[in-house]
Order: sequence, then C-alpha cells, then structure tokens
Amino acid sequence: EVQLVQSGAEVKKPGESLKISCKGSGYSFTSYWIGWVRQMPGKGLEWMGIIYPGDSDTRYSPSFQGQVTISADKSISTAYLQWSSLKASDTAMYYCARVTLQYYFDYWGQGTLVTVSS
Amino acid sequence: QSALTQPASVSGSPGQSITISCTGTSSDVGGYNYVSWYQQHPGKAPKLMIYDVSKRPSGVSNRFSGSKSGNTASLTISGLQAEDEADYYCSSYTSSSPWVFGGGTKLTVL
Repeated sequence: EVQLVQSGAEVKKPGESLKISCKGSGYSFTSYWIGWVRQMPGKGLEWMGIIYPGDSDTRYSPSFQGQVTISADKSISTAYLQWSSLKASDTAMYYCARVTLQYYFDYWGQGTLVTVSS
Repeated sequence: QSALTQPASVSGSPGQSITISCTGTSSDVGGYNYVSWYQQHPGKAPKLMIYDVSKRPSGVSNRFSGSKSGNTASLTISGLQAEDEADYYCSSYTSSSPWVFGGGTKLTVL
C-alpha cells in the first residue's frame, strides 16, 4: 500500500526556521517525483515545487522560488520542505503528494499544519 | 500563471446530477489531456478522482466522470449522495509551470 506520512503540526515564531518531512512507503521512492502543495486557511491548492528523489532534481513554482527549499534523503525515503525565516503569511497546511508521469498527484500525505505567530 | 476558473459553489439534491466547470487557456486545459480532479472533505487531504481528463482511479465510483471541450474541462457527478459534499479542485498541466490548480468549487448536497 502506497503511503506518504508527514511530520506533525508545528507552531513557530516569525523569523524562525523549520523543516517538515514526508516519508514514503509501499513503492519505489526513487522512481516518482514528490510534490509539495500549500493550502492557506480557507483557500485553494497551490503547487510549490517537486523533487525527484532518485537524483534530487528539483523544480520550483515561480511563486515559491527562493522562499522555500525542497530536498530528499533517498536512504530513508523521505522528502523535506524547509524555510530559513518564517513569516506569518507562511501559516498554512502543507501537503506532500506523489507525482505521476501524467502530471497528476495520485497519493497524498495527511498534511502538516504550520502556524507562524508571535 | 493564473489559476484555472471554477465556480465558487454548486449545489444539487440527492439523486440529481451536477457539473463543475474548469476553464483555462490553450496553454493548459485546451492544449493537453492532463486534466485531473481532486475531492477534499473538510480537514482531509485531497483525493484524486479523475485523471487524464476522463479516467477514474481504481476505487472511485463510476458516478464521477470527466470531459473536456476546448479550454474547458468538466466534472460530472451523477446520482448525487450526501457523502459527495466536499470541495473539488481541477488541475492541468501547463507548458510554463507545469501545474495550475483551479480555485476550487464547494459542492453542497441539499
């Protein structure tokens, strides 16, 4: 069974750093891209970027380029999304999802809620 | 990249059929057969319902169907049930991005 399990909810202050994770199982982790999707409170879905764990090739949405860093450790089948300096506007639910060759997201993690507040 | 255009809300009674539209451009919806639809219940992760415009993943009810005409894709739900009440998002491959999502449609089952 394909599963993506994300790390737990985080509460941070503006300016702090953060790294959240997404662990894949039940499939060849290095053979599929993993994407990150943001959902701000009461809003829609926005794709942030994708990574191919096989060789760490990474692509970012222009809206998120330079704002976050996506990485992966294929030895433990885990992808990461990190911020070096959080802002209140980063408060959102963040989902990881497996990406297929036909450009859709077929399996999703349960989401990680990030709250940034002073 | 602008989001695909979906109606903010649609509603229907149990047993009826409803259609949700998703309008883009020739650079996304109209240019590729890579349209997908996702269902999201409150507090839950999105779930893939339709891919490649009209294909259903294993386990998704055949009450859900997808189609496309020009720059507009559509999701039709027939035999509406209470459990279908959720938010629905379309997505398309786009030459510039490579994804764009729609703004989402809230389906209310009356």
